[in-house]
Amino acid sequence: QMQLVQSGPEVKKPGTSVRVSCKASGFTFSRSAVQWVRQARGQRLEWIGWIVVGTGNTNYAQQFYDRITITRDMSTSTAYMDLSSLRSDDTAVYFCAADPGYFDRGAYSPLFDSWGQGTLVTVSS
Amino acid sequence: DIVMTQSPNSLAVSLGERATVNCKSSQNILSSSNNKNYLSWYQLKPGQPPKLLIYWASTRESGVPDRFSGNGSGTDFTLTISSLQAEDVAVYYCQQCYTAPFTFGPGTKLDIK
Repeated sequence: QMQLVQSGPEVKKPGTSVRVSCKASGFTFSRSAVQWVRQARGQRLEWIGWIVVGTGNTNYAQQFYDRITITRDMSTSTAYMDLSSLRSDDTAVYFCAADPGYFDRGAYSPLFDSWGQGTLVTVSS
Repeated sequence: DIVMTQSPNSLAVSLGERATVNCKSSQNILSSSNNKNYLSWYQLKPGQPPKLLIYWASTRESGVPDRFSGNGSGTDFTLTISSLQAEDVAVYYCQQCYTAPFTFGPGTKLDIK
């Protein structure tokens, strides 16, 4: 079945960077789209960005624009989120979510029905 | 950016009763080319990833109980739970995927009265 498995929890110091991975299985990764979303404790879901896997095209939320990079490795069916210049308010659970049928539906608008389990990133000195 | 708002912020409903959550987008999210509203509803429980309930404003995801339904078009949308069950206690979010950034609403917390 379709599955996304994320990398494990991270503890980082302020000013450093973190990479979270999201490995896909059970669907054709190259025909999908992947978004990244985070939730700080007790806060709302916050959209970070997305990648169209087949083309590598990305789009990021303005508040992350100079700190975020989303990439993918089609040989390993893995998406990556790199966040730099970490601050304490980046402490959150980070989720990836995929739309396996994105290209099959005509690549018009994604719907994200497969989610990773979440990765806790803690930023603390 | 499209701003999503939800009401109420929180809601308490008796078991077996109807619960309704509202979501409003700052811009139209109805595609004129295929008449689809690019609005999804998610259920979020502590310690779990979001679960897609409804997409295209009114299409129920496979496996989602039929007590969940979505309605609306353009800028105004609703999620309705026709008969609340204990396992429906969660926070509910709408998300627009009409144009990036794919913004979420602030969430509505649903509890049992």
